[in-house]
Amino acid sequence: EVHLLESGGGLVQPGGSLRLSCAASGFTFSTHAMSWVRQAPGKGLEWVSAISGGGGSTYDADSVKGRFTISRDNSKNTLFLQLDSLRVEDTAVYYCAKLSTWYVLNWGQGTQVTVSS
Amino acid sequence: DIQMTQSPSSVSASIGDRVTITCRASQGISSWLAWYQQKPGKAPKLLIFAASSLQGGVPSRFSGSGSGTDFTLTISSLQPEDFATYYCQQAHSFPPTFGGGTKVEIK
Repeated sequence: EVHLLESGGGLVQPGGSLRLSCAASGFTFSTHAMSWVRQAPGKGLEWVSAISGGGGSTYDADSVKGRFTISRDNSKNTLFLQLDSLRVEDTAVYYCAKLSTWYVLNWGQGTQVTVSS
Repeated sequence: DIQMTQSPSSVSASIGDRVTITCRASQGISSWLAWYQQKPGKAPKLLIFAASSLQGGVPSRFSGSGSGTDFTLTISSLQPEDFATYYCQQAHSFPPTFGGGTKVEIK
């Protein structure tokens, strides 16, 4: 069974940084593209970043380009999202997602990121 | 970016009703469309991909149709566990944008 477990969320001031992690199990991690999708309070879903199975290709939404960095460690079956220069509007639940093409086959339970002074 | 527009934004229905949700893409996406169900406080769940292919384990009362720019999700006979918010998502190109969601509520 596929299992995705996010961690690393929390409360941070504007301009601050956080590093999210997603521990994956139940599938061959290195053969699947992965992504982060977020959901602001009471709002819809927004794609954030994606990374190929080998880690050689990454894709970032314009809203986070230059501030967020997606990466992965296939030896540890772990996906990361480095969040820098955080803004109030980045407040959201961040979901780790296992992809097939651009479809999300599996979702983690999410980790809350709150940006507030 | 491709814009996805869902309608209605909410619908009230009774158990056993047939419910139809529509999704329109701002440009043609062939059949690169998915539907997700999300319950309060939970992660979304994939229901349908490639516009009409049912994900494993999803009840057959869910069906999807359409291609190009216009798509529909139909629940043939609404069950208590189907009250949730539904999102469409285009998988044609990055960024894979979502519709605004349709909340299915109890009438």
